[in-house]
Amino acid sequence: TQLLEQSPQFLSIQEGENLTVYCNSSSVFSSLQWYRQEPGEGPVLLVTVVTGGEVKKLKRLTFQFGDARKDSSLHITAAQPGDTGLYLCAGGETSGSRLTFGEGTQLTVNP
Amino acid sequence: DSGVTQTPKHLITATGQRVTLRCSPRSGDLSVYWYQQSLDQGLQFLIQYYNGEERAKGNILERFSAQQFPDLHSELNLSSLELGDSALYFCASSKEPGSVGEAFFGQGTRLTVV
Repeated sequence: TQLLEQSPQFLSIQEGENLTVYCNSSSVFSSLQWYRQEPGEGPVLLVTVVTGGEVKKLKRLTFQFGDARKDSSLHITAAQPGDTGLYLCAGGETSGSRLTFGEGTQLTVNP
Repeated sequence: DSGVTQTPKHLITATGQRVTLRCSPRSGDLSVYWYQQSLDQGLQFLIQYYNGEERAKGNILERFSAQQFPDLHSELNLSSLELGDSALYFCASSKEPGSVGEAFFGQGTRLTVV
C-alpha cells in the first residue's frame, strides 16, 4: 500500500506570512495532485504535477514535484485569511487511477 | 461547481438500515470513484468504476457495494449500517482512468447513523 505523509498536520499563521506544506512518500507516483477542502465541502483540485522536478505556479501558490516523484511541496506566499482550509495531497498510482490521499494539513491564516 | 452531483447531501438513518448514495459524474467523464472521509481516517478510497465496469477496489467493506449504470451515474449502497459508518462519502469523476487523470469531487453526502 502506498502512503503519503503530510507535514505539518496543523499550521496557524498570520496574514502576510509565507508557508510550505510537505507531502512525502517512499513510493513513486505517476502524478501528484493538491486539493483544498473547506468544511462540509468536497476537495477542490488546485493542481496536478506529473513530471519529476516540475514546478507549477498558481498566483501565490507554488507547487513542486520531487525529482524522484516521491514527494511534493506547496508553498504559499503572503498568505491571506481566504487561504484557510484543509490542504490535501494525493498521489496517482501507475497501476491505475486510484488516488492515495495524505491526511491533510489544516491551515489557518489569522487576520 | 465541480460538475459532479451527489444526492442526498445529508442522510440520517438508524443502525441496521440500508441506504443508497447517488452520483452523477461531470459531462464526458467515464470514470467514477467513491471515497469515504471520516475524522480519524481521512479520505479513503473505496471503489472505482470505468464505463460501467469495476476498475479498482480499495478499503470497501463487504456490506458496501456500488455500480455504474449505462448513463454513467453511479450508486453506492451501504447496508447493515453501523455507527462507525457515519462519515462523509464523496464521489469523484475523471475522463479516463489513466495515471494522469484528474479527479473532480462532488460536495459529498454526510451520512449519520444513529
